[in-house]
Amino acid sequence: GAVVSQHPSRVICKSGTSVKIECRSLDFQATTMFWYRQFPKKSLMLMATSNEGSKATYEQGVEKDKFLINHASLTLSTLTVTSAHPEDSSFYICSASPRGGLREQFFGPGTRLTVL
Amino acid sequence: RKEVEQDPGPFNVPEGATVAFNCTYSNSASQSFFWYRQDCRKEPKLLMSVYSSGNEDGRFTAQLNRASQYISLLIRDSKLSDSATYLCVESNTGKLIFGQGTTLQVKP
Repeated sequence: GAVVSQHPSRVICKSGTSVKIECRSLDFQATTMFWYRQFPKKSLMLMATSNEGSKATYEQGVEKDKFLINHASLTLSTLTVTSAHPEDSSFYICSASPRGGLREQFFGPGTRLTVL
Repeated sequence: RKEVEQDPGPFNVPEGATVAFNCTYSNSASQSFFWYRQDCRKEPKLLMSVYSSGNEDGRFTAQLNRASQYISLLIRDSKLSDSATYLCVESNTGKLIFGQGTTLQVKP
């Protein structure tokens, strides 16, 4: 149990395009989902916390207008990188916490974004 | 100062060796601590939680010293499959704060 999927696993796009990444909890309902970013040889950095039915809470330094988060249901959160630029190239990972459960987070497999 | 600090390594050890990783954290209000394992280009996976009394899971032993704000992970009888990056993680109010990770390479 506790499987989280992400789609796509890999995306290569041109500078200026927008990219949508989906995060799904497959066998549980997730009240809260988290979005992280990891640059090469760096730690995972929390970008935002997404709660179902409400606005996401962004960490300091993360532009909410550039990284749009939608958490429309208890099993799906999306992250849209708007007008992506090469410096946005990174490994984006989501995680989900089960509804009513302990605070353990289950991670998706990640999405590797390369912006040319 | 980083919230969670780890020696990035790499630690190169022979099979069967015992290796220890250390980690310090800056937030004295942190409530929960974990060790995660991350393989190259993969997502992190929970290895074990860390409790004040210390806890063991097979070949892995984790220790927490709240007074010194210090966490450790001991791996005994290293296997080739233990090669990975080990992430020290602290949690406060539900958010996970990751260290940079310590890379372990176990050689035959």
